[in-house]
Parts: sequence; structure tokens; C-alpha cells
Amino acid sequence: EDQVTQSPEALRLQEGESSSLNCSYTVSGLRGLFWYRQDPGKGPEFLFTLYSAGEEKEKERLKATLTKKESFLHITAPKPEDSATYLCAVQAWEETSGSRLTFGEGTQLTVNP
Amino acid sequence: NAGVTQTPKFQVLKTGQSMTLQCAQDMNHNSMYWYRQDPGMGLRLIYYSASEGTTDKGEVPNGYNVSRLNKREFSLRLESAAPSQTSVYFCASSVTGISYNEQFFGPGTRLTVL
Repeated sequence: EDQVTQSPEALRLQEGESSSLNCSYTVSGLRGLFWYRQDPGKGPEFLFTLYSAGEEKEKERLKATLTKKESFLHITAPKPEDSATYLCAVQAWEETSGSRLTFGEGTQLTVNP
Repeated sequence: NAGVTQTPKFQVLKTGQSMTLQCAQDMNHNSMYWYRQDPGMGLRLIYYSASEGTTDKGEVPNGYNVSRLNKREFSLRLESAAPSQTSVYFCASSVTGISYNEQFFGPGTRLTVL
């Protein structure tokens, strides 16, 4: 059974204070690891897909990295508008078609001005 | 493009009532999904449809039925609602293939069962 664990559950930062969110996973064969951002009252918004260990992707102040056991979402010099819940999900290789994802519970990030 | 749309946005039901949640996407995606999101539980897959004409159970299918009406539309039906089905329901869609598997989500339906 695929499992995703995110830590910490909640994180409070001051504006400009860089930090990292962790996503640990176990999956039979990793097809992809996904990061989403979710604002209160809205659906998850896609950020990144990582496919293999060593891969990195960046978008503005966010940088996602991947190892064989975990992924990190690094936030550099965050701003209050980065406040959201960040979700991690994994997709395993399956014989059947479709793209089933297993999600973690998320990290709620608050950035204070 | 509207992306993924869901109706209704909010709904209150009494125990035993039935209702259908509607979802449509205009991105020409093959696959569609229904999730529920509960505090402390994360997003859990209810049902999915890998392509038009097929549906499969996810992690928590009990108490739900789905219909893939056509390539664009995927509905979720609660035949006899229970308080345990109080949740936020999200529909998502994706391209099926080796890559481009990211799922795109709708805005959600907030359901309360009394």
C-alpha cells in the first residue's frame, strides 16, 4: 500500500525566513511525485511533478527536490501570499490505465508580514 | 477555458436523502476522479474513470455511485446520505499516458448531512 507522510503539520514563518517542507513516501514503483498548493475554500492547484531521484524543479520562490525516499519543498524568502496548505502526492506504476494519486495530509504554511 | 467545474458549491441534506454531484471538464482529458477531503484524513479517492465508458473503485467507494456520462462529464451520486458523508468533495481530471499525469481539480462541493 502506498503511503505519504508530510511534516510538519503546520509551519509559521516570518516574511523572508526560508524553510523546507518534507514529504516522505513509500510506493511500490514511483511513477511521479506531485506537489499541490491549496488555498482555504478552494481546490488544490498543481505546482510540480518530479519523476526521478535527483530531479529538481523551481517556480518563483519554490523549489522541489526528490530522493528515493522523500521530497522537499524549499521556500526561499517567503511572502504572506505564500500562505496555504501544501499537499504532496505519489503515483505508482500500475498495469491499469489512469493516474491514481495517494495524498499526504498536507502542511499548513503561514507567513507573517 | 473553465477547466474543471462542479455543481453545486454547497449542499445540506438530511439523513437518507439522495443527491448527485456534477462535474465537467473542458480540457479534453481522458481520466476523471472523485475525492473527498476530511480534516486529518487528507484527500481520499472515491471513484475514478480512466476513460469514457469505464469506472473503478478507489479507496472509499462505499455509499457512492458514479456515472461517466461522456468524455466531459463525471457525476457522483449519494443514494442515501449519512452524516459520515459530510465532507468536501473534489472532482479532478487528467490526461492518461506516460507523462502529463498531473490532475487538475475543481473548486469543490461542501456537503453537510444532518
